[in-house]
Amino acid sequence: EIVVTQSPATLSVSPGERATLSCRASQSLDNYLAWYQQKPGQAPRLLMYGASGRAPGIPARFSGSGYGTDFTLTISSLQSEDFAIYYCQQYKNWPRTFGQGTKVEIK
Amino acid sequence: QVQLQESGPGLVKPSETLSLTCTVSGGSISSGGYYWSWIRQLPGKGLEWMGYIYYTGRTYDNPSLKSRVIISVDTSKNQFSLKLTSVTAADTAVYYCARVPPTMDPYYFDSWGQGTLVTVSS
Repeated sequence: EIVVTQSPATLSVSPGERATLSCRASQSLDNYLAWYQQKPGQAPRLLMYGASGRAPGIPARFSGSGYGTDFTLTISSLQSEDFAIYYCQQYKNWPRTFGQGTKVEIK
Repeated sequence: QVQLQESGPGLVKPSETLSLTCTVSGGSISSGGYYWSWIRQLPGKGLEWMGYIYYTGRTYDNPSLKSRVIISVDTSKNQFSLKLTSVTAADTAVYYCARVPPTMDPYYFDSWGQGTLVTVSS
């Protein structure tokens, strides 16, 4: 099973600042990685797929990068609605696995 | 726009079978090449993929659940279902159903239900 590790566990950022979230896999994923955003009491929402492809309706301030084992989700200028938990998910191998999440909180 | 809605008992006794149904609206479960999936979120923890199903009945499931997962589809009702056998308190979680975009293999999840909390307790 591929282990996906996210860091940091919590990221404190001021509105308008940049947030950089990391996702590292225990073996190469090529670019088979997705990112999700989850707000309290809500289901996760797909943000990115294929490491850098933005899902429909996702603002351009969200961007993804990386290949192999190291990936990054960047939020260029945090808006109030972006404070949430972010998960990455690998779909290179079975079973599909998620990272444990990074909580982006208001500084 | 597709919508998914989970339904089923919110309380299940230990050793019994958890049964949930996902009703899909806004599109046919058997068109478009989509897979359909169940994912759960354990309290205060992350997400666990449980399995996928295609409208033909082809399934993939998570080996970590030790063959306790049964996923089925009813195209006439535009629904798919989850059964999890021999539940314990460790199966208490929010259960989500989700849609998987059409690709060569089922990959990520582009639409989710709102989730339903299932508690395992006597």
